[in-house]
Amino acid sequence: EVQLVESGGGLIQPGGSLRLPCAASGFTFSGYSMTWVRQAPGKGLEWVSTISGGTANTYYADSVKGRFTISRDNSKNTLYLQMDSLRAEDTAIYYCAKGRMPSAYTGSDSWGQGTLVTVSS
Amino acid sequence: DIVMTQSPDSLAVSLGERATISCKSSQSVLYNSNNKNQLAWYQQKPGQPPKLLIYWASTRESGVPERFSGSGSGTDFTLTISSLQAEDVAVYCCQQYYSFPFTFGPGTRVEIK
Repeated sequence: EVQLVESGGGLIQPGGSLRLPCAASGFTFSGYSMTWVRQAPGKGLEWVSTISGGTANTYYADSVKGRFTISRDNSKNTLYLQMDSLRAEDTAIYYCAKGRMPSAYTGSDSWGQGTLVTVSS
Repeated sequence: DIVMTQSPDSLAVSLGERATISCKSSQSVLYNSNNKNQLAWYQQKPGQPPKLLIYWASTRESGVPERFSGSGSGTDFTLTISSLQAEDVAVYCCQQYYSFPFTFGPGTRVEIK
């Protein structure tokens, strides 16, 4: 059974940094693309970033480009999202999601429960 | 960026009746090399993460009940719940994965009438 468990969320001041790990199990982690999606309170889903399997190509939403970095450690079956220069508008639940294929161009077939990031002074 | 729109914003359907949700993309999401539409449908219940229902616009994910079906091509897509059940109360949204940035529709809330 696929399991994705996010952690690392919390209250952080504007301008601060957080790193969100997502521990994966139940599948061959290196063989699939992985994605971060966020959802602000009471709002819809917003795609944040994707890293492909294999080549580990990375892609970012304009709203986070230059501030967030997605990475993966296939030896630890863990996906990361390094978030720097955080803003109030980054406040959201952050979900880790598994792609259906190694290619980045795919939907997400398994999702974690999410971790809440609150950016506030 | 590809803009995804959905209609209606919400709908109330009687148990056992059909629910139909529309999703439109601002440009075609049909990938010519494999002739597949790069579009997914997700269901999200309160307090839960999204769940993949449909990918490639019309392929049902494993384990998803047959009452859920997807159709359409190019820029116009539909999610149909053929016989609404109580457990189908949720927000449904579409997503294009044709080009980055991937984009989601705003969601359609489905309730019981």
